[in-house]
Amino acid sequence: AIRMTQSPSSLSASTGDRVTITCRASQGISSYLAWYQQKPGKAPKLLIYAASTLQSGVPSRFSGSGSGTDFTLTISCLQSEDFATYYCQQYYSYPITFGQGTRLEIK
Amino acid sequence: QITLKESGPTLVKPTQTLTLTCTFSGFSLSTSGVGVGWIRQPPGKALEWLALIYWDDDKRYSPSLKSRLTITKDTSKNQVVLTMTNMDPVDTATYYCAHSGDDILTAYFGYWGQGTLVTVSS
Repeated sequence: AIRMTQSPSSLSASTGDRVTITCRASQGISSYLAWYQQKPGKAPKLLIYAASTLQSGVPSRFSGSGSGTDFTLTISCLQSEDFATYYCQQYYSYPITFGQGTRLEIK
Repeated sequence: QITLKESGPTLVKPTQTLTLTCTFSGFSLSTSGVGVGWIRQPPGKALEWLALIYWDDDKRYSPSLKSRLTITKDTSKNQVVLTMTNMDPVDTATYYCAHSGDDILTAYFGYWGQGTLVTVSS
């Protein structure tokens, strides 16, 4: 199975900050990577797929980049509603695997 | 508008079989380009993919749980059913169903159900 490792596991930031979350795959997955946002008690929400394609309706302050094994999710100007947990997911091969999550907290 | 909703027991005893139903609308599992997956999340932990079924009845399972899982679809009812045998307290989690594309290279989950918390306890 392809292992997905996110860093950091948690992150404190302030509204207006620019933050970057990293996801590393244990083997190359081309661009078959998705990012999700999850708030407490809610289902995950798809933000980005194909490593850099923004899902419809997702604010443009979210962006994704990378290919192969190294990927990043960047939030350019944090808003209060962005404080949540973020997960990456590879869909290059079975079994589908998720990262362990990055919790973004208010500083 | 695509919606999904999970249903099933909230409490099961160890060794019992769990049966969860995902009822969806806004798409058909008899139409090419569609899949429905199950993902779970133990309290305070990460997401774990369990199974996927595609419009053509292709089925995929997590290798670590394959012996315990069965996924089926009923296109006439717009439902996908997941059964998990021999439940254990470590299977306590919120179980989600979600809509995906029709093969591994489109198997990201654009629409999710609200999730259902299943507790395994005697």
